[in-house]
Amino acid sequence: GDSVTQMEGPVTLSEEAFLTINCTYTATGYPSLFWYVQYPGEGLQLLLKATKADDKGSNKGFEATYRKETTSFHLEKGSVQVSDSAVYFCALRSQNFVFGPGTRLSVLP
Amino acid sequence: NAGVTQTPKFQVLKTGQSMTLQCAQDMNHEYMSWYRQDPGMGLRLIHYSVGAGITDQGEVPNGYNVSRSTTEDFPLRLLSAAPSQTSVYFCASSYSGRDNSPLHFGNGTRLTVT
Repeated sequence: GDSVTQMEGPVTLSEEAFLTINCTYTATGYPSLFWYVQYPGEGLQLLLKATKADDKGSNKGFEATYRKETTSFHLEKGSVQVSDSAVYFCALRSQNFVFGPGTRLSVLP
Repeated sequence: NAGVTQTPKFQVLKTGQSMTLQCAQDMNHEYMSWYRQDPGMGLRLIHYSVGAGITDQGEVPNGYNVSRSTTEDFPLRLLSAAPSQTSVYFCASSYSGRDNSPLHFGNGTRLTVT
């Protein structure tokens, strides 16, 4: 069946550091890919999405590119802030939604 | 612009009690779903619905019932609460038949069963 794998956390960075959170997927066909963010005590919010190969999703300084050849959708940000501390989920949609286990990011001032 | 609304935000139950978690959306989404989130377990799908009158089981359906009498509402019923059902529950909705449509989540219900 379809699955999503994310790098294990937690990830701890200093403010203004570069962020990469790896995500790879297994799916039949061509799923849409998403990154969600969850702040403490809240539900998941859509961060960005990409719907076909080579699409780049971007939002709030975060970017991810749909790489069909490597079945990956890595999340990047050039300079993280303390306010980016949250849990990040990679997900795909084929017949249903499939989520990765989440990666907790802590950004220190 | 309410989106997905879940009630209550917090609930404490005793073992064996029953209750209903409410979920409503105002986006005319056909697809609705319930997840539970536990530490170290990620999000697990309980039940989902692709339209009024249609429901199906997800990964962890035991101990839960759902119904979908209207497009807007998708309540989750705990028949006889158990401590293993202590969790945070999220309702989410999306358009059906549009593969690029994301899930929209509510803010969750934190349930404790003692």
